[in-house]
Amino acid sequence: FMLTQPHSMSESPGKTITISCTGSGGNIDSNYVQWYQQRPGRAPTTIIYRDDQRPSGVPDRFSASIDTSSNSASLTISGLMTEDEADYYCQSYDDSTRVFGGGTKVTVL
Amino acid sequence: EVQILESGGGLVQPGGSLRLSCAASGFTFRNFAMAWVRQAPGKGLEWVSAIGGNDGSTYYAVSVRGRFTISRDNSNNMLFLQMHSLRVEDTALYYCVKDRGRWLIPAWVDYWGQGTLVTVSS
Repeated sequence: FMLTQPHSMSESPGKTITISCTGSGGNIDSNYVQWYQQRPGRAPTTIIYRDDQRPSGVPDRFSASIDTSSNSASLTISGLMTEDEADYYCQSYDDSTRVFGGGTKVTVL
Repeated sequence: EVQILESGGGLVQPGGSLRLSCAASGFTFRNFAMAWVRQAPGKGLEWVSAIGGNDGSTYYAVSVRGRFTISRDNSNNMLFLQMHSLRVEDTALYYCVKDRGRWLIPAWVDYWGQGTLVTVSS
């Protein structure tokens, strides 16, 4: 089971960006998908769990969904802020494997 | 407040051994699975190993199977990673992480430590 993300994306402040996470070797909706944010030089933090749930303290500018037709998960960041500039990783699992996507570097221009 | 603090990283020669420790507080340690995730310099995140809350179940990435051993001490809220036969490609920042649940499945992290750096070099 593998997860594939775009290597990098960029957008202007105030705009909306959507990061995809495409599953292969299994169905994306078989198990939960999580998303993690890693700002430069910092440890990752959890921003989405159980496909679309936000931990307390995560702004509602962050949202996520699952699309079974494309076997992919998506993270959407609306009203982009400079502080959103970071690497974003999706993560899921199956019965025998825990896997991260390769990460997407988001640049806020 | 959940706190996770790793220790034990350092410089080791190829073929050597190292033991990482992780001290956790702010939650009922035995009720949650714990794991190690690593990040090589300039690279992405990689699962290393995980252990269930109190059932002894374990998970290892293929890349470390047979060389690394994960364990925990629920009496002292500690997680460990014993690493043997270290390779240059094991060089990374090793994060101790808390899962959201007791079992290995579902695999989902809610808290991360700050990491401890392991450098394998001659």
